[in-house]
Amino acid sequence: GNSVTQMEGPVTLSEEAFLTINCTYTATGYPSLFWYVQYPGEGLQLLLKATKADDKGSNKGFEATYRKETTSFHLEKGSVQVSDSAVYFCALKYEGNEKLTFGTGTRLTIIP
Amino acid sequence: NAGVTQTPKFQVLKTGQSMTLQCAQDMNHNSMYWYRQDPGMGLRLIYYSASEGTTDKGEVPNGYNVSRLNKREFSLRLESAAPSQTSVYFCASTSRAQVRNQPQHFGDGTRLSIL
Repeated sequence: GNSVTQMEGPVTLSEEAFLTINCTYTATGYPSLFWYVQYPGEGLQLLLKATKADDKGSNKGFEATYRKETTSFHLEKGSVQVSDSAVYFCALKYEGNEKLTFGTGTRLTIIP
Repeated sequence: NAGVTQTPKFQVLKTGQSMTLQCAQDMNHNSMYWYRQDPGMGLRLIYYSASEGTTDKGEVPNGYNVSRLNKREFSLRLESAAPSQTSVYFCASTSRAQVRNQPQHFGDGTRLSIL
C-alpha cells in the first residue's frame, strides 16, 4: 500500500540555520504531495504542495521538489526562525482517492 | 474566516462515559473527515463522509460512530469511552475530495482525556 516515511525527530536547530526534513514515499502512479505544518495548540495548515514530477512547491521561505526518480519530497528552508518551531507532516494523495496518507510528523525546535 | 470549527477544545471523561465531538465547516465543502493524533503515529483516519448522507470507515473506526447531520456538520461520538481513546481529535474538510491536488482544511482539534 501507499506510505510516507519522514525523518525521525525531534530536530533542534539554531536560528538562521539551514533546514532539511526528509520525506520519501512508497506508491505507484502519480500522487500529489503535500507538506502540512502544525503550530503548538493548533490544527494542521497546508504549507505547500506539488502535483507532478519536478514541480517545486514553495511558501513562507520553505521549498520542496517532487522527485519521482527518488520518490522524495524533502522540505528545505535556507534560514529558519524561532517562529518556524512546529510539527511538520508530509502527505500524499491520489486522484480518485478521497484520503490523505500522512507521515508520522517531525517536530522542529529552533533555538535563538 | 471561521473555516473548520471544533467543539469542545478540551474534555476530560471517565471510562464508560459517552460524548459527542462537534465539527462544522463554512466553506461549502462536500467531504469531511475525523482523525486522531497520537504521539509517534501521525494522523489516523477514523471516519469520513464523502457527501451529505454518506459515511465510511477509515483506518481506526472501532469504538466510534459518526453522523453527517447536514453539509456543514459532521459529529463524532464515543459511546463508551476507554483510556485508549485519549488523543487529540481533528476534523477536516475538502471541496473535491477525489481530485488529487485538493488539500484538506483542518480545525484546531479537541484534546480528549479518558481517566
